[in-house]
Amino acid sequence: VVMTQSPLSLPVTLGQPASISCRSTESLVHSDGNTYLNWFQQRPGQSPRRLLYKVSNRDSGVPDRFSGSGSGTDFTLKISRVEAEDIGIYYCMQNTHWLVSFGQGTKLEIK
Amino acid sequence: QVQLVESGGGVVQPGRSLRLSCAVSGFTFSSYTMYWVRQAPGKGLEWVATLSEDETTKYYADSVKGRCTVSRDNSKNTLFLDMNSLRPDDTAVYYCARGDPWFGGQGDVAFDVWGQGTMVAVSS
Repeated sequence: VVMTQSPLSLPVTLGQPASISCRSTESLVHSDGNTYLNWFQQRPGQSPRRLLYKVSNRDSGVPDRFSGSGSGTDFTLKISRVEAEDIGIYYCMQNTHWLVSFGQGTKLEIK
Repeated sequence: QVQLVESGGGVVQPGRSLRLSCAVSGFTFSSYTMYWVRQAPGKGLEWVATLSEDETTKYYADSVKGRCTVSRDNSKNTLFLDMNSLRPDDTAVYYCARGDPWFGGQGDVAFDVWGQGTMVAVSS
């Protein structure tokens, strides 16, 4: 399953919203009814951090300005108001299928 | 607290072998699927391998299939990645990450915890 993110670079003004798209070549709906689509943030020099799991569930400690939506093959990560600490690269990842796959990454930078 | 610590990276010549380790603490390692993920310098994340809690299920990325073997020692809370016939394009930071437990989780846990990574550089 190929995951395609857009845009690959996202310049944003502080306080403004941001949105990242992630599309898969196959449906991410598992036979158990769940959709195993996750979003990760990777800040410079750090390990990836999971932000959202199963499309829209926020991990503990993740600010509520981060939200996820979508279904099937089309998903979106939204940041309602970008803050300076949000700088980094964002990846979508599917583990619905046994062969896990990541998107190419979207670099969020401040204008 | 839950912690994953990778080790075993280094500089190695093309064609040689290397064993990476991931020492786990803070949870019942023997109950969880585990993953290896790598990141080449300046590049994105690439899934490498998956190993079930009882080693009955293993999956590999096409880029490493036939050259890498994932295994675990549940008595020592350690995950391994044996890499053979190393190539320059295997140069990357290698991370281990926790998966879901056999008794459930259903995606709630998978990839929630990552190690700090260990760097592998393949160069002559």
